[in-house]
Amino acid sequence: NAGVTQTPKFQVLKTGQSMTLQCAQDMNHEYMSWYRQDPGMGLRLIHYSVGAGITDQGEVPNGYNVSRSTTEDFPLRLLSAAPSQTSVYFCASSYTGGLDEQYFGPGTRLTVT
Amino acid sequence: GENVEQHPSTLSVQEGDSAVIKCTYSDSASNYFPWYKQELGKRPQLIIDIRSNVGEKKDQRIAVTLNKTAKHFSLHITETQPEDSAVYFCAAVYSGGGADGLTFGKGTHLIIQP
Repeated sequence: NAGVTQTPKFQVLKTGQSMTLQCAQDMNHEYMSWYRQDPGMGLRLIHYSVGAGITDQGEVPNGYNVSRSTTEDFPLRLLSAAPSQTSVYFCASSYTGGLDEQYFGPGTRLTVT
Repeated sequence: GENVEQHPSTLSVQEGDSAVIKCTYSDSASNYFPWYKQELGKRPQLIIDIRSNVGEKKDQRIAVTLNKTAKHFSLHITETQPEDSAVYFCAAVYSGGGADGLTFGKGTHLIIQP
């Protein structure tokens, strides 16, 4: 099993550009989530999904969209990138939800200039 | 929503000594408290967790204690080794609005001095 995979590993965007961060898992996990990690801030939940077709907002959802059309994939879309979105983004998945071990992807380092 | 405070932000201990990291949480409905270890440039990985119906849990050199009345939980690492150097995050599951996403503390950078 590949586990949780993320692409790209690194990305540089200009302010106002849009892009999609990809996340996929092959463990048949129902629950998937996106976090951003900033220095000294820990990991903050952006959006999460408890199953295909169901998504909800986390702590810091503004400026991001998600969709969950399949169990395996959970892409994160930046609508109009801003320098404040410079961060490392981690996708995570688990069998049932927050009360379960989260398996993290390798992360995407995004810089917005 | 949930708020998790973690202390200290940096902890330096001599190899072989013990290390203790403490967290407090605000939502009394939280009932799951995991600890994640993140080595430099790597992804976070679960090292131990505890649920609200348990007061203490051990796994070799690592232990976690939970005091639900005081709303705090702690990570204890004994006989520290160089490979324990990393950033450690505590987390609590909040239940606001039916969500069960994790709320993380801001992390503790553990440095093991040789």
